Amino acid sequence: GQSLEQPSEVTAVEGAIVQMNCTYQTSGFYGLSWYQQHDGGAPTFLSYNALDGLEETGRFSSFLSRSDSYGYLLLQELQMKDSASYFCAVRGGSNYQLIWGAGTKLIIKP
Amino acid sequence: DAGVTQSPTHLIKTRGQQVTLRCSPKSGHDTVSWYQQALGQGPQFIFQYYEEEERQRGNFPDRFSGHQFPNYSSELNVNALLLGDSALYLCASSPGQVNNEQFFGPGTRLTVL
Repeated sequence: GQSLEQPSEVTAVEGAIVQMNCTYQTSGFYGLSWYQQHDGGAPTFLSYNALDGLEETGRFSSFLSRSDSYGYLLLQELQMKDSASYFCAVRGGSNYQLIWGAGTKLIIKP
Repeated sequence: DAGVTQSPTHLIKTRGQQVTLRCSPKSGHDTVSWYQQALGQGPQFIFQYYEEEERQRGNFPDRFSGHQFPNYSSELNVNALLLGDSALYLCASSPGQVNNEQFFGPGTRLTVL
Protein backbone atom coordinates (compact mmCIF):
# COMPACT_ATOMS: atom_id res chain seq x y z
CA GLY A 1 0.00 0.00 0.00
CA GLN A 2 0.90 3.65 -0.25
CA SER A 3 0.41 6.30 2.42
CA LEU A 4 1.64 9.75 3.36
CA GLU A 5 1.53 11.35 6.79
CA GLN A 6 1.47 15.06 7.51
CA PRO A 7 0.64 16.94 10.72
CA SER A 8 -2.88 18.28 10.42
CA GLU A 9 -2.12 21.78 11.65
CA VAL A 10 0.87 24.00 12.40
CA THR A 11 0.80 27.47 13.97
CA ALA A 12 3.57 30.04 13.55
CA VAL A 13 4.19 33.76 13.99
CA GLU A 14 4.54 36.28 11.18
CA GLY A 15 8.21 36.74 10.27
CA ALA A 16 9.25 33.41 11.77
CA ILE A 17 10.38 30.14 10.12
CA VAL A 18 8.20 27.03 9.96
CA GLN A 19 8.91 23.44 8.94
CA MET A 20 6.16 21.08 7.74
CA ASN A 21 7.01 17.39 7.64
CA CYS A 22 5.92 14.55 5.39
CA THR A 23 6.65 10.85 5.79
CA TYR A 24 5.68 8.39 3.11
CA GLN A 25 5.36 4.70 2.44
CA THR A 26 5.17 3.66 -1.21
CA SER A 27 5.91 0.56 -3.25
CA GLY A 28 7.97 2.66 -5.65
CA PHE A 29 9.30 6.19 -5.41
CA TYR A 30 10.19 8.69 -8.08
CA GLY A 31 9.90 12.03 -6.31
CA LEU A 32 8.21 14.24 -3.70
CA SER A 33 6.21 17.34 -4.61
CA TRP A 34 4.78 20.14 -2.51
CA TYR A 35 1.64 22.14 -3.31
CA GLN A 36 0.00 25.11 -1.62
CA GLN A 37 -3.77 25.53 -1.49
CA HIS A 38 -5.57 28.55 -0.09
CA ASP A 39 -9.12 28.07 1.18
CA GLY A 40 -11.46 27.86 -1.80
CA GLY A 41 -8.56 27.94 -4.24
CA ALA A 42 -6.73 25.56 -6.51
CA PRO A 43 -3.49 23.81 -5.51
CA THR A 44 -0.38 25.54 -6.83
CA PHE A 45 2.96 23.82 -7.35
CA LEU A 46 5.80 24.80 -5.01
CA SER A 47 8.64 22.31 -5.47
CA TYR A 48 9.76 18.83 -6.51
CA ASN A 49 12.58 16.71 -5.09
CA ALA A 50 13.75 13.55 -6.84
CA LEU A 51 17.15 13.34 -5.13
CA ASP A 52 18.26 13.70 -1.51
CA GLY A 53 19.04 17.15 -0.26
CA LEU A 54 17.68 20.65 -0.05
CA GLU A 55 16.12 22.64 -2.90
CA GLU A 56 15.67 26.37 -2.36
CA THR A 57 13.31 28.73 -4.18
CA GLY A 58 13.12 32.14 -2.57
CA ARG A 59 11.52 31.89 0.86
CA PHE A 60 10.60 28.25 0.27
CA SER A 61 12.94 25.26 0.66
CA SER A 62 12.14 21.57 0.33
CA PHE A 63 14.18 18.68 1.67
CA LEU A 64 14.18 14.97 0.87
CA SER A 65 15.77 11.95 2.50
CA ARG A 66 14.92 8.83 0.50
CA SER A 67 16.58 6.50 3.02
CA ASP A 68 14.25 7.84 5.75
CA SER A 69 11.19 8.16 3.44
CA TYR A 70 10.91 11.69 4.76
CA GLY A 71 10.72 15.21 3.47
CA TYR A 72 9.88 18.66 4.70
CA LEU A 73 8.90 22.08 3.43
CA LEU A 74 10.56 25.07 5.08
CA LEU A 75 9.04 28.54 4.88
CA GLN A 76 11.09 31.55 5.98
CA GLU A 77 10.07 35.12 6.79
CA LEU A 78 6.46 34.06 7.13
CA GLN A 79 3.81 36.39 5.77
CA MET A 80 0.08 36.39 6.48
CA LYS A 81 -0.54 35.39 2.85
CA ASP A 82 1.28 32.10 3.54
CA SER A 83 -1.73 30.96 5.58
CA ALA A 84 -2.92 27.98 3.55
CA SER A 85 -2.89 24.20 3.42
CA TYR A 86 0.30 22.53 2.26
CA PHE A 87 0.23 19.11 0.63
CA CYS A 88 3.04 16.70 -0.04
CA ALA A 89 2.54 14.30 -2.92
CA VAL A 90 4.61 11.30 -3.92
CA ARG A 91 4.97 10.05 -7.45
CA GLY A 92 5.30 6.33 -7.07
CA GLY A 93 3.64 2.96 -7.22
CA SER A 94 3.45 0.70 -10.21
CA ASN A 95 1.65 3.20 -12.40
CA TYR A 96 3.63 6.33 -11.52
CA GLN A 97 0.59 8.17 -10.22
CA LEU A 98 0.67 11.11 -7.80
CA ILE A 99 -0.44 10.14 -4.28
CA TRP A 100 -1.32 13.04 -1.95
CA GLY A 101 -1.17 13.49 1.78
CA ALA A 102 -4.08 14.96 3.75
CA GLY A 103 -2.28 18.28 4.07
CA THR A 104 -1.03 20.56 6.84
CA LYS A 105 -3.04 23.68 7.60
CA LEU A 106 -0.61 26.51 8.36
CA ILE A 107 -2.01 29.19 10.67
CA ILE A 108 0.01 32.38 10.97
CA LYS A 109 -0.49 34.78 13.84
CA PRO A 110 0.58 38.43 13.78
CA ASP B 1 -2.43 33.11 -21.59
CA ALA B 2 -5.43 31.45 -19.98
CA GLY B 3 -4.73 28.91 -17.31
CA VAL B 4 -6.73 25.77 -16.68
CA THR B 5 -10.47 26.42 -16.83
CA GLN B 6 -13.28 24.25 -15.53
CA SER B 7 -17.04 24.35 -15.86
CA PRO B 8 -19.41 24.54 -14.20
CA THR B 9 -18.22 26.16 -10.97
CA HIS B 10 -20.92 24.60 -8.84
CA LEU B 11 -23.40 21.82 -9.46
CA ILE B 12 -26.20 20.26 -7.44
CA LYS B 13 -27.51 16.82 -8.36
CA THR B 14 -29.61 14.13 -6.72
CA ARG B 15 -28.67 10.54 -6.05
CA GLY B 16 -28.77 8.32 -9.10
CA GLN B 17 -28.29 11.13 -11.59
CA GLN B 18 -25.39 11.51 -13.98
CA VAL B 19 -23.02 14.48 -14.26
CA THR B 20 -20.47 15.75 -16.78
CA LEU B 21 -17.68 18.11 -15.78
CA ARG B 22 -15.48 19.91 -18.28
CA CYS B 23 -11.88 21.06 -18.33
CA SER B 24 -9.73 23.06 -20.74
CA PRO B 25 -5.99 22.69 -20.13
CA LYS B 26 -3.43 25.46 -20.05
CA SER B 27 -2.20 26.47 -23.50
CA GLY B 28 0.56 24.12 -24.65
CA HIS B 29 -0.41 21.31 -22.29
CA ASP B 30 -1.49 17.94 -23.69
CA THR B 31 -2.07 15.90 -20.53
CA VAL B 32 -5.08 16.21 -18.23
CA SER B 33 -5.53 14.60 -14.82
CA TRP B 34 -8.68 14.58 -12.71
CA TYR B 35 -8.81 14.59 -8.92
CA GLN B 36 -11.53 14.35 -6.28
CA GLN B 37 -10.99 16.40 -3.13
CA ALA B 38 -13.28 15.87 -0.16
CA LEU B 39 -13.51 18.61 2.45
CA GLY B 40 -10.39 18.71 4.62
CA GLN B 41 -8.61 16.04 2.57
CA GLY B 42 -5.94 15.92 -0.07
CA PRO B 43 -6.82 15.39 -3.73
CA GLN B 44 -7.41 11.76 -4.76
CA PHE B 45 -6.23 10.81 -8.24
CA ILE B 46 -9.06 9.61 -10.51
CA PHE B 47 -7.38 9.22 -13.91
CA GLN B 48 -5.11 10.82 -16.46
CA TYR B 49 -5.67 11.38 -20.18
CA TYR B 50 -2.98 11.73 -22.81
CA GLU B 51 -3.38 11.48 -26.58
CA GLU B 52 -7.13 10.97 -26.10
CA GLU B 53 -6.65 7.80 -24.05
CA GLU B 54 -6.88 7.01 -20.37
CA ARG B 55 -3.29 6.29 -19.38
CA GLN B 56 -3.46 5.90 -15.60
CA ARG B 57 -6.31 5.27 -13.21
CA GLY B 58 -6.66 5.59 -9.45
CA ASN B 59 -8.86 3.54 -7.17
CA PHE B 60 -12.23 4.74 -8.46
CA PRO B 61 -15.16 2.61 -9.70
CA ASP B 62 -16.25 2.35 -13.32
CA ARG B 63 -18.99 4.90 -12.60
CA PHE B 64 -16.23 7.43 -13.15
CA SER B 65 -15.29 7.75 -16.80
CA GLY B 66 -13.72 10.37 -18.97
CA HIS B 67 -12.81 11.54 -22.38
CA GLN B 68 -10.16 13.71 -23.99
CA PHE B 69 -10.80 15.58 -27.21
CA PRO B 70 -8.35 16.37 -30.04
CA ASN B 71 -7.93 19.92 -28.66
CA TYR B 72 -6.76 18.33 -25.34
CA SER B 73 -9.85 19.43 -23.40
CA SER B 74 -11.40 16.76 -21.24
CA GLU B 75 -14.63 15.63 -19.62
CA LEU B 76 -15.25 13.71 -16.43
CA ASN B 77 -18.50 11.73 -16.28
CA VAL B 78 -19.94 10.25 -13.12
CA ASN B 79 -22.93 7.91 -13.34
CA ALA B 80 -25.36 6.76 -10.65
CA LEU B 81 -24.33 9.51 -8.25
CA LEU B 82 -23.96 8.69 -4.57
CA LEU B 83 -24.01 11.07 -1.63
CA GLY B 84 -20.34 10.27 -1.12
CA ASP B 85 -19.51 11.71 -4.54
CA SER B 86 -20.04 15.21 -3.13
CA ALA B 87 -16.63 16.87 -3.40
CA LEU B 88 -14.49 19.39 -5.25
CA TYR B 89 -13.40 17.96 -8.59
CA LEU B 90 -10.10 19.34 -9.78
CA CYS B 91 -8.60 19.18 -13.22
CA ALA B 92 -4.84 19.56 -13.67
CA SER B 93 -2.85 19.87 -16.86
CA SER B 94 0.81 19.41 -17.71
CA PRO B 95 3.02 19.34 -20.81
CA GLY B 96 3.55 15.60 -21.04
CA GLN B 97 2.59 12.59 -18.97
CA VAL B 98 5.52 12.60 -16.58
CA ASN B 99 5.93 16.30 -15.94
CA ASN B 100 6.08 16.83 -12.20
CA GLU B 101 4.55 20.31 -12.16
CA GLN B 102 0.81 20.22 -12.61
CA PHE B 103 -1.34 23.29 -13.13
CA PHE B 104 -4.75 23.12 -11.49
CA GLY B 105 -8.06 24.65 -12.42
CA PRO B 106 -10.37 26.25 -9.83
CA GLY B 107 -12.45 23.08 -9.57
CA THR B 108 -16.12 22.16 -9.77
CA ARG B 109 -17.97 21.86 -6.47
CA LEU B 110 -20.42 18.95 -6.81
CA THR B 111 -23.14 18.49 -4.22
CA VAL B 112 -25.23 15.32 -4.33
CA LEU B 113 -28.51 15.44 -2.39
